[in-house]
Amino acid sequence: DQQVKQNSPSLSVQEGRISILNCDYTNSMFDYFLWYKKYPAEGPTFLISISSIKDKNEDGRFTVFLNKSAKHLSLHIVPSQPGDSAVYFCAASGAGTASKLTFGTGTRLQVTL
Amino acid sequence: KAGVTQTPRYLIKTRGQQVTLSCSPISGHRSVSWYQQTPGQGLQFLFEYFSETQRNKGNFPGRFSGRQFSNSRSEMNVSTLELGDSALYLCASSPNPTSSEKLFFGSGTQLSVL
Repeated sequence: DQQVKQNSPSLSVQEGRISILNCDYTNSMFDYFLWYKKYPAEGPTFLISISSIKDKNEDGRFTVFLNKSAKHLSLHIVPSQPGDSAVYFCAASGAGTASKLTFGTGTRLQVTL
Repeated sequence: KAGVTQTPRYLIKTRGQQVTLSCSPISGHRSVSWYQQTPGQGLQFLFEYFSETQRNKGNFPGRFSGRQFSNSRSEMNVSTLELGDSALYLCASSPNPTSSEKLFFGSGTQLSVL
């Protein structure tokens, strides 16, 4: 039972363009959502998060959008840079279980020159 | 400040054996959680420890166990290894169990079961 889904295993975007990574969830008890970035042979690193009381959060080139009614969130990267090439994981947690994250299967982003 | 340290980095075991993985959290972090990453499955939560007590547990069989010491260092143990236990095991630490954003991951232990 995959409660957090990332239906696109890979995405290729040209440098300078927008990258949009999508994530869907099924558990309505989730109230906090995060995006992590992972390079090979390294652990995931936190990128950006959003609480369920918001619908948008920005941090520099990264923006996360949350649509609670559709149980959908997306990560926008503008402009995309070659260094953004990595695997991106969407994750979610419920109240009182901040360290118990439910992750999606990841989307591999390739930013080409 | 040193990051989350996991040892060993790589491990090869055979079916039926047991294995112990170690995790040293960031100094001052008292919450440690463990995740398993397998191809196609993403990262799956194993368990979380805070102040030497298990706070949460994921859906894994009893062969998977863990503990946390008074200095916040943690170990996880897998007994009677199966081929399907081959995975990257990641440890994460945070100051306390309520801060998802401050979850810092180690580089993991790559376990291969032959």
